[in-house]
Amino acid sequence: AQSVTQLDSHVSVSEGTPVLLRCNYSSSYSPSLFWYVQHPNKGLQLLLKYTSAATLVKGINGFEAEFKKSETSFHLTKPSAHMSDAAEYFCVVSRDTGRRALTFGSGTRLQVQP
Amino acid sequence: GAGVSQSPSNKVTEKGKDVELRCDPISGHTALYWYRQRLGQGLEFLIYFQGNSAPDKSGLPSDRFSAERTGESVSTLTIQRTQQEDSAVYLCASRGTSNEQFFGPGTRLTVL
Repeated sequence: AQSVTQLDSHVSVSEGTPVLLRCNYSSSYSPSLFWYVQHPNKGLQLLLKYTSAATLVKGINGFEAEFKKSETSFHLTKPSAHMSDAAEYFCVVSRDTGRRALTFGSGTRLQVQP
Repeated sequence: GAGVSQSPSNKVTEKGKDVELRCDPISGHTALYWYRQRLGQGLEFLIYFQGNSAPDKSGLPSDRFSAERTGESVSTLTIQRTQQEDSAVYLCASRGTSNEQFFGPGTRLTVL
């Protein structure tokens, strides 16, 4: 069994300040972890993925996430927010084998204030 | 094609009618998934196809939902006797040999 908890439903930051979106996961096996972004009226886009290689994962648009097994966390960060980062962000877990269906968190809406 | 495509992009139907949603995966991707996204929520897994194997239907919410896939190409998701709670965005994703799933733009279904 696997599950994902996104600790904040809404996060608001000022442009140019750091972004932290928190995610905790639960899994009975070694998971693959992902962050997806969904802009209004657009499809889901993969930001980054962790698949048991380096624990610090770099993604697109300056985002990165760190896998911490001891804390069962996979928080998403960015040093400096841009207006275009405003979107819904989903933390996702799946198995490495078999069906590999994705289990999504409930999402965090990021607002970026000018 | 270049990405996953879905049709229609929007569908409005009356309660009790049947609807059919279509997904065209990325060419060569053997795995295909259907998900449902209710307003303000994350995605829920519905069904999974892998090549010619029997589909994994464990996520389908009721027997009104069914899906088919011909080989490794197009898939259709059918909802019979639609109910208002079926209103959602239905997303299709395909996967090749890696763990990454590529999503289509979705079909927004509204049941009046």
